[in-house]
Amino acid sequence: EDKVVQSPLSLVVHEGDTVTLNCSYEVTNFRSLLWYKQEKKAPTFLFMLTSSGIEKKSGRLSSILDKKELFSILNITATQTGDSAVYLCAVGNFGNEKLTFGTGTRLTIIP
Amino acid sequence: NAGVTQTPKFQVLKTGQSMTLQCAQDMNHEYMSWYRQDPGMGLRLIHYSVGAGITDQGEVPNGYNVSRSTTEDFPLRLLSAAPSQTSVYFCASSSSRTSGNEQYFGPGTRLTVT
Repeated sequence: EDKVVQSPLSLVVHEGDTVTLNCSYEVTNFRSLLWYKQEKKAPTFLFMLTSSGIEKKSGRLSSILDKKELFSILNITATQTGDSAVYLCAVGNFGNEKLTFGTGTRLTIIP
Repeated sequence: NAGVTQTPKFQVLKTGQSMTLQCAQDMNHEYMSWYRQDPGMGLRLIHYSVGAGITDQGEVPNGYNVSRSTTEDFPLRLLSAAPSQTSVYFCASSSSRTSGNEQYFGPGTRLTVT
């Protein structure tokens, strides 16, 4: 059974700090790892990492995938209050379109 | 494109009542799925469909039914609501034509069963 574990469960930092969120996984026939941001509504897509794309960057957010050690990190630099959200990690495998989600990391940015 | 739409946004049911949560997408995606989200539990897959006429169970299917008569629609039926089904429900869709498993989510339905 596919499994995703995120850490920490919650994190409180001050505005301007840099944070690193962790995601480890076990999946049969790995296809992709995805990061989503969830505020008080539906998850919104941030990044997708695959064997052909193990690093992604968008503004202050970046993510890497380590397929050998089976983990990914999401970095957010110069955090802002708008970064406060739950960050979800999910993995997918070849053969079907299902995603397995972790329980998420709740990030709170203090002004 | 409207993307993925869900109705209703909020619903209160009494124990034993039945109802249908509606989900539709206009992106011609083959894959559609239903998740429930409870505090501290992340998103758990209830049922999914890989195309019209094809459905399968996910991680927590008990108490729910689905059908997929068209590519666009994927309704979720609660047969006899129970307080344990109080949750936020998300519908999502994706296309097998992309390079990964990126799923697009609807806005969610907050269901309370009393």
